[in-house]
Amino acid sequence: DTAVSQTPKYLVTQMGNDKSIKCEQNLGHDTMYWYKQDSKKFLKIMFSYNNKELIINETVPNRFSPKSPDKAHLNLHINSLELGDSAVYFCASSQEPRFGYEQYFGPGTRLTVT
Amino acid sequence: DQQVKQNSPSLSVQEGRISILNCDYTNSMFDYFLWYKKYPAEGPTFLISISSIKDKNEDGRFTVFLNKSAKHLSLHIVPSQPGDSAVYFCAARETSYGKLTFGQGTILTVHP
Repeated sequence: DTAVSQTPKYLVTQMGNDKSIKCEQNLGHDTMYWYKQDSKKFLKIMFSYNNKELIINETVPNRFSPKSPDKAHLNLHINSLELGDSAVYFCASSQEPRFGYEQYFGPGTRLTVT
Repeated sequence: DQQVKQNSPSLSVQEGRISILNCDYTNSMFDYFLWYKKYPAEGPTFLISISSIKDKNEDGRFTVFLNKSAKHLSLHIVPSQPGDSAVYFCAARETSYGKLTFGQGTILTVHP
């Protein structure tokens, strides 16, 4: 029974397309995150939602839009995909940040833009 | 500007010996530090953490040391096992919003 799940695991698409990645957590956590791991292997935060409210929005192109329909879900929609968007995207969740520091990660979605 | 750095891209250790992974940071506002372990094609998994008010935290074979004056932390694994072979990420937390800043990772290989 996976704690943090992401779909799809692999995504290959062409430049200019629009795609979505879905994330679900069954840990009862209040906060969810999206991270990007680029070709140099750096893990960098993109967004964070707490109780469906956006609390972290790093310098990310407007083509990226997170959506949180409820506390257990945080989806990432990407418009007009570019070659540089190719990366592994990780979803994570944690308790309310004031009370818990450990973040639990999903298995990642490898996005390849051709 | 990389605020958390792991300067050793890889480390190779014999089974049973000690593995020491290092991490340096530049931001004095970091208040909590974590180590994550990552296997290929999986997400990072939490390993151990330490608050900035402590200098050591131990959990079984894993010990994390924090030297605030040097802005340096290290992860010790004793004894090392082949199953410990993975990428280890150091991470630091700055604000109450839970933002983590990660290092670039160190690949640990433990040889039988």
